[in-house]
Amino acid sequence: EADIYQTPRYLVIGTGKKITLECSQTMGHDKMYWYQQDPGMELHLIHYSYGVNSTEKGDLSSESTVSRIRTEHFPLTLESARPSHTSQYLCASSTQGLAGRNEQFFGPGTRLTVL
Amino acid sequence: DQQVKQNSPSLSVQEGRISILNCDYTNSMFDYFLWYKKYPAEGPTFLISISSIKDKNEDGRFTVFLNKSAKHLSLHIVPSQPGDSAVYFCAARGATSYDKVIFGPGTSLSVIP
Repeated sequence: EADIYQTPRYLVIGTGKKITLECSQTMGHDKMYWYQQDPGMELHLIHYSYGVNSTEKGDLSSESTVSRIRTEHFPLTLESARPSHTSQYLCASSTQGLAGRNEQFFGPGTRLTVL
Repeated sequence: DQQVKQNSPSLSVQEGRISILNCDYTNSMFDYFLWYKKYPAEGPTFLISISSIKDKNEDGRFTVFLNKSAKHLSLHIVPSQPGDSAVYFCAARGATSYDKVIFGPGTSLSVIP
């Protein structure tokens, strides 16, 4: 049973506002990820972390930032939201372990709309 | 440039029949392939995977076939059930657990009762 949580589930906000999307997991996973997905499109990796105090940018350039101060918590922040940030944001985690199946567990996502 | 392609955006299948979802990839360094299933308003959930050293992996009603020479894999669902209606993402990654997972755009499957 995967235990990874995202809040809020839905957010409608005006341009220029600062927002933080929360992601927490209770599985003790070292690796965590943020993906951005638009309808009918692939998931694009925007940030990832291999452990506490480790953060890296993903393949898709994003104006958001992340932090990893605790193993279980990986929040994403947009300092000044714009309409182009409208999308679904998915958080995931996985174990560090050996290569192999090593599947990622996903949270339910945050649907962000910037007006 | 898409490294993982799912050329069928949608697929409709009658309940009880076989569903075949296809996926093509371009990177010969991919070593592990995964399928995820996503219901609306939920995150993707892992369904089944296959290592590049195998050509078939089966789990209940779900079977994944891998053709490395053609850089092609497919997911077979037999028999299809209405609860299988969802978006299916094909994903691939390299040989180590540090390699990032690359997702395809997904195929929306509708199983008609």
